Amino acid sequence: EAGVTQSPTHLIKTRGQQATLRCSPISGHTSVYWYQQALGLGLQFLLWYDEGEERNRGNFPPRFSGRQFPNYSSELNVNALELEDSALYLCASSLAGRTGQPQHFGDGTRLSIL
Amino acid sequence: AQKVTQAQTEISVVEKEDVTLDCVYETRDTTYYLFWYKQPPSGELVFLIRRNSFDEQNEISGRYSWNFQKSTSSFNFTITASQVVDSAVYFCALSGTTLNAGGTSYGKLTFGQGTILTVHP
Repeated sequence: EAGVTQSPTHLIKTRGQQATLRCSPISGHTSVYWYQQALGLGLQFLLWYDEGEERNRGNFPPRFSGRQFPNYSSELNVNALELEDSALYLCASSLAGRTGQPQHFGDGTRLSIL
Repeated sequence: AQKVTQAQTEISVVEKEDVTLDCVYETRDTTYYLFWYKQPPSGELVFLIRRNSFDEQNEISGRYSWNFQKSTSSFNFTITASQVVDSAVYFCALSGTTLNAGGTSYGKLTFGQGTILTVHP
């Protein structure tokens, strides 16, 4: 069974540009989560999507947004990129409808802002 | 607000030694879930275990064991007879069940800062 897949693996952008990161969940999982792992800041929760709706959002500015498609895949969009957005962005998926389900992570997208 | 503290930033041991990674958590939820994840050098987070707040039984899986003590809000992880392949960053995480409009803990994982474990041959 395929795990969570993320693309691209690496993304290089400059300040002010926009970045789009993609995630495909494990088959049968309908919840998708996004986390940021920045150096020195640990793993920070960004967004949770379930059945196409945003269910919870972390303490990030509105320029971090996303969506979930009917096939449960998801996009994370980051607008007006800043240097401090450089980080590893991890996507996770889980069975939906019940909290406490283990979240299974992809390999991440490393976003570098020049 | 929820908080997870992993007091040990780095641990270095020699192969075959036993090692315990500490995790202390804070939450106002009466029902919550605790997790441990492993992040090897390759970067992906690997799920190791989940514990709910009503199940305080310790668990053993091969060389891994977990000690959940609600009275001290701790969920410690022990690796017995460590191996070089155990070298990784280990994260403890907490998921709550609050659905309030402000600051909901529902669904999201709150991670500790991680413990870097290095096992030397």
